[in-house]
Amino acid sequence: GQQLNQSPQSMFIQEGEDVSMNCTSSSIFNTWLWYKQDPGEGPVLLIALYKAGELTSNGRLTAQFGITRKDSFLNISASIPSDVGIYFCAGQGSNFGNEKLTFGTGTRLTIIP
Amino acid sequence: GAVVSQHPSWVICKSGTSVKIECRSLDFQATTMFWYRQFPKQSLMLMATSNEGSKATYEQGVEKDKFLINHASLTLSTLTVTSAHPEDSSFYICSALQGAGGELFFGEGSRLTVL
Repeated sequence: GQQLNQSPQSMFIQEGEDVSMNCTSSSIFNTWLWYKQDPGEGPVLLIALYKAGELTSNGRLTAQFGITRKDSFLNISASIPSDVGIYFCAGQGSNFGNEKLTFGTGTRLTIIP
Repeated sequence: GAVVSQHPSWVICKSGTSVKIECRSLDFQATTMFWYRQFPKQSLMLMATSNEGSKATYEQGVEKDKFLINHASLTLSTLTVTSAHPEDSSFYICSALQGAGGELFFGEGSRLTVL
């Protein structure tokens, strides 16, 4: 099945650093979503973006919906230990009722003590 | 927020047996649920879309006779892995759609290990 290209694949950072990851697609999506998945659990929604160009924040997280509707980025400021996990972007179809998600390849975030 | 629960959270079975995984929306009705499979260190891959009262829609490459999906009520969808083999070992995750065009909520996942 289709996957979105997400980069970087993994990140090793120190606590307090800022993090940036992005997601690109060859297809247009009407909605972009960012999820975090902890080991052995299902993904949890962090931010949802519904409009091209939209910039949305949720605490230390900021995400933007690209103008072309083919990309999105997620920034995490001042990382803390609980930010460790795998982050997935997801695109949602352009037709009403087509709510299935296409997931990115994931970015694994590790915080170095 | 809305809660989606999966059961069992983990299961170990012998090769050749069938395993049923349940996905329940606990506090909302979901006419549409989705089943994903996630192999270690990989992303979630959509297997099928489950619609209440009708046949599931399977993604290309997913065997419908091997992965039986039943969405008999507005709060329950089941995935049965028939004649499981070791290569079916994976993390199976469901999500439920809260109303048409509404938010998707994910279950906590079910880890299947086939010996």
